[in-house]
Amino acid sequence: EDKVVQSPLSLVVHEGDTVTLNCSYEVTNFRSLLWYKQEKKAPTFLFMLTSSGIEKKSGRLSSILDKKELFSILNITATQTGDSAIYLCAVWAADGLTFGKGTHLIIQP
Amino acid sequence: EAGVAQSPRYKIIEKRQSVAFWCNPISGHATLYWYQQILGQGPKLLIQFQNNGVVDDSQLPKDRFSAERLKGVDSTLKIQPAKLEDSAVYLCAVEDNFSGANVLTFGAGSRLTVL
Repeated sequence: EDKVVQSPLSLVVHEGDTVTLNCSYEVTNFRSLLWYKQEKKAPTFLFMLTSSGIEKKSGRLSSILDKKELFSILNITATQTGDSAIYLCAVWAADGLTFGKGTHLIIQP
Repeated sequence: EAGVAQSPRYKIIEKRQSVAFWCNPISGHATLYWYQQILGQGPKLLIQFQNNGVVDDSQLPKDRFSAERLKGVDSTLKIQPAKLEDSAVYLCAVEDNFSGANVLTFGAGSRLTVL
């Protein structure tokens, strides 16, 4: 059974801080890893990662994959209150798309 | 979210009652999914459709849950009778191709509370 584990499960920081969210996985026939942001609505797609060591970047958000150590990180720099959300990691593999429990990020003003 | 409409957004029912959710994606998506997201957990797959046919319903509690996709576009998910543990957000998603890989586009979800 494919497994995706995210840490921390919750995180509270102050505006302007930098945060790192972690996602580790144990799957069969890895295809790709996805990051989503979920506010009080639909999860919205952030990044798709398939190759190790290649950083994907979008504004203050960036992500990288390590296929040898089986993990990915999502970095958010200069956090803003609008970054408060649940960040979901998901992996496409033999069992289809498996989600982690998410990291609940709260940015305090 | 703009590509996948779900209704109703919120529903409160008592246990043993029935409920139905609708998913109306824009056309052109062969693969459609229903996920259940319980508070504090990630989405869990209930059922996957390819056009009109079911690809995977191994995690669907078939004694109470049913789903169908008519004409390969819209889909409905029904729960009858509902249990307390069915309280969750029910997410519909379609599969898009992004740079050669598959990405899911989700609807806003239907939040069910069973009392």
